[in-house]
Amino acid sequence: DGGITQSPKYLFRKEGQNVTLSCEQNLNHDAMYWYRQDPGQGLRLIYYSQIVNDFQKGDIAEGYSVSREKKESFPLTVTSAQKNPTAFYLCASSIDGGETQYFGPGTRLLVL
Amino acid sequence: ELKVEQNPLFLSMQEGKNYTIYCNYSTTSDRLYWYRQDPGKSLESLFVLLSNGAVKQEGRLMASLDTKARLSTLHITAAVHDLSATYFCAVDVFYNQGGKLIFGQGTELSVKP
Repeated sequence: DGGITQSPKYLFRKEGQNVTLSCEQNLNHDAMYWYRQDPGQGLRLIYYSQIVNDFQKGDIAEGYSVSREKKESFPLTVTSAQKNPTAFYLCASSIDGGETQYFGPGTRLLVL
Repeated sequence: ELKVEQNPLFLSMQEGKNYTIYCNYSTTSDRLYWYRQDPGKSLESLFVLLSNGAVKQEGRLMASLDTKARLSTLHITAAVHDLSATYFCAVDVFYNQGGKLIFGQGTELSVKP
């Protein structure tokens, strides 16, 4: 089955710690995205990538970093510089930039 | 600032009734998406509207786009409980430069028997 997987489902971060959220897709999509969703709100774009080894900042990139070394994978690191990381993180992909984005199941990040 | 505004934000309706969710946006775009989100779950793609006057229908849901008015509507016909969810519209403002979506706040729909 083709799809987008995210892991872990829940992640706990200690203060000062960097954590990495995984996003993998086997849809052969070129474009991948990371969004953050806070309770009762819409999604906000953190980073996106249209092609391997290239990515751009979204609206709320501060305190986050990404890499795109493989077409299938787009991991997101939440660094200690992100002071309010508690949120639901959603990864998405599309066949290329500008086409329908399909979303993974999400990772819920909580701060201890 | 680019804005996408939905109304209402909360909608409680009875089964069998009709209602419309509105999505207004502040910038030029010819591409708009509607998504559904169940509590604690991810987003499911419902519709993509690609041009002025576009209309798409799936079951009890119908979406339309008026690019001149910068308005999209999601019409619910004869609501059933299974339609209870949060509905988001999202505008693609740079679809030829990477597909950057700006989301509305979401409309939480509750359909009661």
